[in-house]
Amino acid sequence: QVQLQESGPGQVKPSETLSLTCTVSGGSINNYYWSWIRQPPGKGLEWIGYIHSSGTPHYNPSLKSRVTISVDTTKNQFSLMLTSVTTADTAVYYCARVGGGEWGQGTLVTVSS
Amino acid sequence: DIQMTQSPSSLSASIGDRVTITCQASHDIGNFLQWYQQKSGKAPNLLIHDVSNLKRGVPSRFSGSRSGTDFTFTISSLQPEDIATYYCLQYDQLPYTFGQGTKVEIK
Repeated sequence: QVQLQESGPGQVKPSETLSLTCTVSGGSINNYYWSWIRQPPGKGLEWIGYIHSSGTPHYNPSLKSRVTISVDTTKNQFSLMLTSVTTADTAVYYCARVGGGEWGQGTLVTVSS
Repeated sequence: DIQMTQSPSSLSASIGDRVTITCQASHDIGNFLQWYQQKSGKAPNLLIHDVSNLKRGVPSRFSGSRSGTDFTFTISSLQPEDIATYYCLQYDQLPYTFGQGTKVEIK
């Protein structure tokens, strides 16, 4: 069974860049779409974007100017970068394969000085 | 963007009650609709995909249906372990969009 695990800093300063990596285990990252989704504390879920293993990304227009999603098939990983963060970007960030309903456990990223 | 209007935002029901949650899509999304259960402090857990297909291992008291752009999620007999927030997700058109969530509590 495929498992996903997010990793990265739990705190980022305002105006800096949030960077997270998702490691896929138990299966290949190839031939699927891999998403990032976030959830501010006490709020609902927001899809950030996805990338196909071939390397083509698609982003939510609400974040498009600040988001980059990349994939490294040799490491079975994909990554998220979110630039110019503010306190509004404080959230639990999940990586997921929506088509298979597989999600990581999530990682809380707090934007604070 | 496709808007997913989910209702109610919360409900309180007794053990054994039938519980129904709805999501209305602003445009046709075909059958590209999932239902998730999220327990406190945990990641969302897929229960139903493609409108009505139960993920393997999910109890049969959970079900889903569709009428046009209206989608219904039902718990036929509410159990204590069903206390959670439930979300619908459309994955037909980008950006993917979620309903606002329904918090289910025990009366």
